[in-house]
Amino acid sequence: QSALTQPPSASGSPGQSVTISCTGTSSDVGAYNSVSWYQQHPDKAPRLIIYEVHKRPSGIPDRFSGSKSGNTASLTVSGLQAEDEADYYCSSYAGSYTYVFGTQTKVTVL
Amino acid sequence: VQLVQSGAELKKTGESLRISCGGYGYAFFGYWIGWVRQTPGKGLEWMGIIYPDNSETTYSPSFLGQVTLSADKSVSTAYLHWSSLRASDSAIYYCARFGGRSRTDNWFDSWGQGTQVTVSS
Repeated sequence: QSALTQPPSASGSPGQSVTISCTGTSSDVGAYNSVSWYQQHPDKAPRLIIYEVHKRPSGIPDRFSGSKSGNTASLTVSGLQAEDEADYYCSSYAGSYTYVFGTQTKVTVL
Repeated sequence: VQLVQSGAELKKTGESLRISCGGYGYAFFGYWIGWVRQTPGKGLEWMGIIYPDNSETTYSPSFLGQVTLSADKSVSTAYLHWSSLRASDSAIYYCARFGGRSRTDNWFDSWGQGTQVTVSS
């Protein structure tokens, strides 16, 4: 199993939008509607922000949205705020009861 | 829901180690618990999951044979065990709970605070 591919960095000014891609294969992202996204601030545990491609847990603002097309999932953060500066990871079910994470994307709010 | 992990560990290569993850505020036995490794160079890595009610496990191929997952539902605690540590095992290890009851199509909805493991020679 190879890690899903995310861009190493993304940035935007406050109020702008940023989109992070998460590219897998037809055996993981493309095969299942089971993509989740996690936000991690420095020295903190990851936090779930999107599950099942586009669903938001309670307490997660609607500025965070998710989508998927083919083997690529995307996370969009609209109306960027300073508190959105963090690392982001995607994850997908990969079959045989296993899962895979994406590579780290560091989001910077300019 | 709260997952509380054991404290940081400093060990030597070849030693054994078991770290723990206690679940509070929910029916611990009925939800899968997973373990995730984080290293500066490799980000997050999915290690495996365990179902505390019957200790059924699934391991990532990358970690099969390298670690052992176990759980004791009587004390609502999951464990991650190494029989012989290597320097490359140095990392932060997180436990996390699956949000749904299924082993498939799931996600981690609650995370422990992480346990730093440092292995030196």
